[in-house]
Amino acid sequence: DQQVKQNSPSLSVQEGRISILNCDYTNSMFDYFLWYKKYPAEGPTFLISISSIKDKNEDGRFTVFLNKSAKHLSLHIVPSQPGDSAVYFCAASALDKIIFGKGTRLHILP
Amino acid sequence: SAVISQKPSRDICQRGTSLTIQCQVDSQVTMMFWYRQQPGQSLTLIATANQGSEATYESGFVIDKFPISRPNLTFSTLTVSNMSPEDSSIYLCSWGGPIGNEQFFGPGTRLTVL
Repeated sequence: DQQVKQNSPSLSVQEGRISILNCDYTNSMFDYFLWYKKYPAEGPTFLISISSIKDKNEDGRFTVFLNKSAKHLSLHIVPSQPGDSAVYFCAASALDKIIFGKGTRLHILP
Repeated sequence: SAVISQKPSRDICQRGTSLTIQCQVDSQVTMMFWYRQQPGQSLTLIATANQGSEATYESGFVIDKFPISRPNLTFSTLTVSNMSPEDSSIYLCSWGGPIGNEQFFGPGTRLTVL
């Protein structure tokens, strides 16, 4: 049973436009949500996070939105740049558990 | 933040053999973790490597299959024992935590078992 779902395996976005990556979760006990970015042959790197008591967190070009009633979060990247092409993992944590989604591969088109 | 490295970066192994993966952090860190990412799957936490004591394993992972050492605050090893093709994965170590907070990952070890 997947507690954290990223339903889009891949996404293509034109350079300069907005990229929106989505993540759904099932466990209402999750209290912290994180996004990681992964390039080929490298480990994931932390991008941005949000506590369950907030609905938005912004860091430069990256904004994460949390909709607790829908158990949904999204990562917005604007404007999208070529270096944003990578796999993005959504993760959720509760107590001492962290659950990752399967990832979404983002392609930024020139 | 501390830089984390792993070796080997990749290996191809025969069924029934064992492989030890090393993880080195360039400064002392309290918490280190081992993850697995099977093809097409998400990252799954195998265990928390505790300095000076036995590792804490997640459900579905056992010490006999994945023995872990953590002799000091900068180094840990994960052994994949008696390998089968199902063990073909990327294995990653990380530091940070407590678990659930930001993690800093190593580059991963890509293991293929024939």
